[in-house]
Amino acid sequence: AQSVTQLGSHVSVSEGALVLLRCNYSSSVPPYLFWYVQYPNQGLQLLLKYTSAATLVKGINGFEAEFKKSETSFHLTKPSAHMSDAAEYFCAVTKAAGNKLTFGGGTRVLVKP
Amino acid sequence: EPEVTQTPSHQVTQMGQEVILRCVPISNHLYFYWYRQILGQKVEFLVSFYNNEISEKSEIFDDQFSVERPDGSNFTLKIRSTKLEDSAMYFCASSPEDSAYEKLFFGSGTQLSVL
Repeated sequence: AQSVTQLGSHVSVSEGALVLLRCNYSSSVPPYLFWYVQYPNQGLQLLLKYTSAATLVKGINGFEAEFKKSETSFHLTKPSAHMSDAAEYFCAVTKAAGNKLTFGGGTRVLVKP
Repeated sequence: EPEVTQTPSHQVTQMGQEVILRCVPISNHLYFYWYRQILGQKVEFLVSFYNNEISEKSEIFDDQFSVERPDGSNFTLKIRSTKLEDSAMYFCASSPEDSAYEKLFFGSGTQLSVL
């Protein structure tokens, strides 16, 4: 069985500051890991994914995440927050095959000017 | 850019009533999914559908739920007799292939409120 835990349901950052969203996973098989973003009134959009290649993964909009097997973590970062980054972010895990995703509870990001 | 369309965006129903949530997947996609998110909880997988049959379903997807692709464009989720605990945001998703994560697209969801 797989599970994902996102620490912090809400994060507030100042514009220009570092964004750090935490995700820890549990998986009995090598996982595939994902970060999705949901802007208001829109669907879930894939930010980036880890599928057993490079452990540092770069995604869209300047986000990146690092897979750390020893820590069972896949934290999402962006060096400098922009107002347009205000959204809800979901970490998700799946096994190697199939589109069935197990999601974390989500983290809502507020960006202050 | 192609998108998955869900209607309605909000649905209010009385407990015990049947409700049908509608989704129009991207036209050349073959794999279809429903997920839901109860307020304050995680997004949960409900069901996957391929080649006109359910390929996988979760424990949540009991006999009260059914899915159908009635024509070449729509993919529906029916809840036969709604309960208060069915109140949630329901997301439809589609993909042209299995395990094609870059090509897995989600709709913007239908917020179902059961009174």
